Amino acid sequence: NAGVTQTPKFRILKIGQSMTLQCAQDMNHNYMYWYRQDPGMGLKLIYYSVGAGITDKGEVPNGYNVSRSTTEDFPLRLELAAPSQTSVYFCASSSQAVNSPLHFGNGTRLTVT
Amino acid sequence: AQSVTQPDIHITVSEGASLELRCNYSYGATPYLFWYVQSPGQGLQLLLKYFSGDTLVQGIKGFEAEFKRSQSSFNLRKPSVHWSDAAEYFCAVGEATGGFKTIFGAGTRLFVKA
Repeated sequence: NAGVTQTPKFRILKIGQSMTLQCAQDMNHNYMYWYRQDPGMGLKLIYYSVGAGITDKGEVPNGYNVSRSTTEDFPLRLELAAPSQTSVYFCASSSQAVNSPLHFGNGTRLTVT
Repeated sequence: AQSVTQPDIHITVSEGASLELRCNYSYGATPYLFWYVQSPGQGLQLLLKYFSGDTLVQGIKGFEAEFKRSQSSFNLRKPSVHWSDAAEYFCAVGEATGGFKTIFGAGTRLFVKA
């Protein structure tokens, strides 16, 4: 059982480039999330989705976009990458029940230079 | 807005010693509370959760946590630490409005010395 799969594991971007971080889950979870993790800051919510076709902003959405065309996939798009977007990005999913925990992918380490 | 505070950025304990990691939350209603652990290069894994009922909850790997409403705290404990417990620990609170979002504390890194 793969769980939550993120690709790529590592990426280096130049300032102004764009890229898409991929996230897929095979647990049929309705809820999916994107977090970024910076040293000493914990995890900050970027965007989340409660089901296919529905997305909403989290705490730090600026500079990012998401889409949710299927239950399984929740890609995160970075347009015009900036050094401030250097971070580790985690995708997570959970079932619709309010008492269900998050299932995390192994993260994507992104460096913008 | 909800928030989670983990006052200790890092803690060092000797192997075999007891451990307590502190967590305070800010939330108006009864919170959904979680502790997660992150090993280097990995995603987060759930240790335990509290939603209602018994305020002392048991988790995996011998961890437990106690919910104290009067202190707005949800501290994580372990009676005897093993070297493999060295990791970063995150306290989190769930918000059930407009979907279900989880807000994380800044984390506490645990070092274990022999």
